[in-house]
Amino acid sequence: GAVVSQHPSWVICKSGTSVKIECRSLDFQATTMFWYRQFPKQSLMLMATSNEGSKATYEQGVEKDKFLINHASLTLSTLTVTSAHPEDSSFYICSARERGTRGNQPQHFGDGTRLSIL
Amino acid sequence: QQQVKQSPQSLIVQKGGISIINCAYENTAFDYFPWYQQFPGKGPALLIAIRPDVSEKKEGRFTISFNKSAKQFSLHIMDSQPGDSATYFCAATAGSARQLTFGSGTQLTVLP
Repeated sequence: GAVVSQHPSWVICKSGTSVKIECRSLDFQATTMFWYRQFPKQSLMLMATSNEGSKATYEQGVEKDKFLINHASLTLSTLTVTSAHPEDSSFYICSARERGTRGNQPQHFGDGTRLSIL
Repeated sequence: QQQVKQSPQSLIVQKGGISIINCAYENTAFDYFPWYQQFPGKGPALLIAIRPDVSEKKEGRFTISFNKSAKQFSLHIMDSQPGDSATYFCAATAGSARQLTFGSGTQLTVLP
């Protein structure tokens, strides 16, 4: 089956540092990748949609300068949380949609990255 | 504005029982309705999905019932097992970007 690998799975860092999270589709090409944020016992909130080779589209209220997204290839997207602060602590999850001709290709999710900012 | 409403928030079922989770949507442009299962500390995993031209889809113990006129759909888990204890999210997608709109989630606990 389609596998999405997310790295790191857990990161703890000091306030003010930048953190990069990688999302890779291991056995398929992903034309589109999505980044979500999830707080404890809450649903997933879409942060941004990225298409390979183009700028990401951010959801309303998401600071594009704070959450930098790069989708340089069909198998890799990265999310960089710049100058992270404690309020950025959350569970970040990526997903990838398979390249295909049908519109309803499912999204496959990574296992998330738990970010804790001290 | 929440476009997909999910209930109940939590559900406790005895082993062997039927778990039923309901969702309702407002946006008639939605054309694909997946259900995801999420265990603590993990990402969501696709469980089963349905398109609006079908009223029911069954895969093993999992069944989606879809009522297009009422704009409602539900997940039925037959013969629920303790291993089914997880959070379940309904979702819907529309448009060329195929972005998922998630329901608020249901925490299912199946008692042994």
